[in-house]
Amino acid sequence: HSVLTQPPSASGTPGQTVTISCSGLSSKIGSHAVNWYQQLPGTAPKLLIYSDNQRPSGVPDRFSGSKSGASASLAISGLQSEDEADYYCASWDDSLNGHVIFGGGTKLTVL
Amino acid sequence: QVQLVQSGPEVKKPGASVKVSCKASGYTFNAYGVTWVRQAPGQGLEWMGWISGHNGNTNYPRKVQDRVTMTTDTSTSTAYMELRSLTSDDTAVYYCARALGWDLPQEAFDIWGQGTMVTVSS
Repeated sequence: HSVLTQPPSASGTPGQTVTISCSGLSSKIGSHAVNWYQQLPGTAPKLLIYSDNQRPSGVPDRFSGSKSGASASLAISGLQSEDEADYYCASWDDSLNGHVIFGGGTKLTVL
Repeated sequence: QVQLVQSGPEVKKPGASVKVSCKASGYTFNAYGVTWVRQAPGQGLEWMGWISGHNGNTNYPRKVQDRVTMTTDTSTSTAYMELRSLTSDDTAVYYCARALGWDLPQEAFDIWGQGTMVTVSS
């Protein structure tokens, strides 16, 4: 079955721009939307980006998403200490009855 | 405000079943789906399935499709997830989340419950 691959960790200093990648091993993933979730320590995940590059109301424009082929990226500009969290990408895989797949998550540390 | 409130923590023995509830408020329940996601201690997110708030259609991943049942009670705007034949591998925080749209399981999840800790231990 398909998986979404993320780097396990990323880091940056305040004010920097950090990019987190999400790559799929199945060509079918490229035809479905990618969503991104932020999970602060000890809390439920929060929707950050949907449909590859759309921000829900209330999400700062420092967060942006993009997709090219079977890979997607989340960029965080003007990094802030409160951005320290785990970030997960998610998409849909048509195989095996169809199912949602999550990336393994990236722990972002603000130095 | 729009929110999902889940039932409290559960401790179960191996082989038992657990049923977690998720009560929605602040929005039209049957205009959206509800998805369930679990997170084992220190691990990532795992999708457990989806149910339409409109017509009760479901979609489960093969890994758990023989052990999980999702239902809704539209009169109380509540979704339920039952997981049977529990093992220690099912120990996790279980989240419900609102799925954008009612007709497709692959929509994004925009509102999340607070999570329910399910512990399976003998």
